[in-house]
Amino acid sequence: DAGVTQSPTHLIKTRGQQVTLRCSPKSGHDTVSWYQQALGQGPQFIFQYYEEEERQRGNFPDRFSGHQFPNYSSELNVNALLLGDSALYLCASSAILGTQYFGPGTRLTVL
Amino acid sequence: DAKTTQPNSMESNEEEPVHLPCNHSTISGTDYIHWYRQLPSQGPEYVIHGLTSNVNNRMASLAIAEDRKSSTLILHRATLRDAAVYYCILRARSNVENNDMRFGAGTRLTVKP
Repeated sequence: DAGVTQSPTHLIKTRGQQVTLRCSPKSGHDTVSWYQQALGQGPQFIFQYYEEEERQRGNFPDRFSGHQFPNYSSELNVNALLLGDSALYLCASSAILGTQYFGPGTRLTVL
Repeated sequence: DAKTTQPNSMESNEEEPVHLPCNHSTISGTDYIHWYRQLPSQGPEYVIHGLTSNVNNRMASLAIAEDRKSSTLILHRATLRDAAVYYCILRARSNVENNDMRFGAGTRLTVKP
């Protein structure tokens, strides 16, 4: 049984560009949450998707948006990239209200 | 706005027990106590969670104070592979609109051979 998978593993972008990160949840999970982890800090909650809708959102600007597909996979989009968006982006999946299991993350570098 | 307080770092010797403390004085009745750990260059890994009673699994034990304002993660015999950052997190699991997890800075555990 494959766990949570994320792609790509690493990504380099320049300021002002847009990026899309992808997440496939663990089999049987219908909820996807996204987190941003800056170097040396704990993960910060971005938002959560359930039934293809954004259910909760952390303190992140509208430049951060997402989508959940009928097969429960999800995308995180970040527009107008800033240097401060450089971080490890983590996806976690769960059954709704269940234990969250994390993927390995996507390392985004903004130059 | 993390609702938990943990020591920044702790050290342990290999094959000795480790007790990782967490304070959560503002815990509400619907908050579960979750522990995750993060090894270098990996995503967080689920360790254990509980509500009121002490919990045991193959990885660790969770001891919860009677007033639920603190908890302790217990690793019974630390190994070098247990070196990681350990996060204590409160999570409401009562409804779809309010079940997110807010991580703090965690405790960096160093295990000495």
